[in-house]
Amino acid sequence: NAGVTQTPKFRILKIGQSMTLQCAQDMNHNYMYWYRQDPGMGLKLIYYSVGAGITDKGEVPNGYNVSRSTTEDFPLRLELAAPSQTSVYFCASRTRGGLTGELFFGEGSRLTVL
Amino acid sequence: GIQVEQSPPDLILQEGANSTLRCNFSDSVNNLQWFHQNPWGQLINLFYIPSGTKQNGRLSATTVATERYSLLYISSSQTTDSGVYFCAVGTGTALIFGKGTTLSVSS
Repeated sequence: NAGVTQTPKFRILKIGQSMTLQCAQDMNHNYMYWYRQDPGMGLKLIYYSVGAGITDKGEVPNGYNVSRSTTEDFPLRLELAAPSQTSVYFCASRTRGGLTGELFFGEGSRLTVL
Repeated sequence: GIQVEQSPPDLILQEGANSTLRCNFSDSVNNLQWFHQNPWGQLINLFYIPSGTKQNGRLSATTVATERYSLLYISSSQTTDSGVYFCAVGTGTALIFGKGTTLSVSS
């Protein structure tokens, strides 16, 4: 199993450009999440999803969009990139119910907006 | 929304020392997890512990849900324990993270 896979690992954008961060998991997890981590800070929840076709806003959703057309994929779209979106983005997933709700993370995508 | 506070923010230890990290939260939760972020940025789940006590080698954790706090114990610390320790809590699907405790262990 690959677990949670994020692409790209690094990206530099110019102000106003758009891009999509890809996230895929092969663990058949229902729940998927996008977090951002600014330097020296904790993780802030951007969006999450409880299953295909269902998404919801987290703590810091402005400037981002998501979709969940399949169980496996949860892409994060940045429209009109701004310097404030410079951050490391983490995708995570977990199963619903069961004995554990352990959260599994991808390796992160480092985005710089200049 | 739910608030998560971790203490201390920074901790410096000599190899072999023990430490206790604390996570306070503002509301009842049904999900609490501890994570370690290593110096390369990788996030590893240490414990899923919404209540009770668990142990894994030199690490153990206790959550007292009725008093809204959790503790992470690290015994006989090693340099590889360095990094940031995060607590994350949730009442439903969303998991909210604290700001973390940065641990530095020197040999």
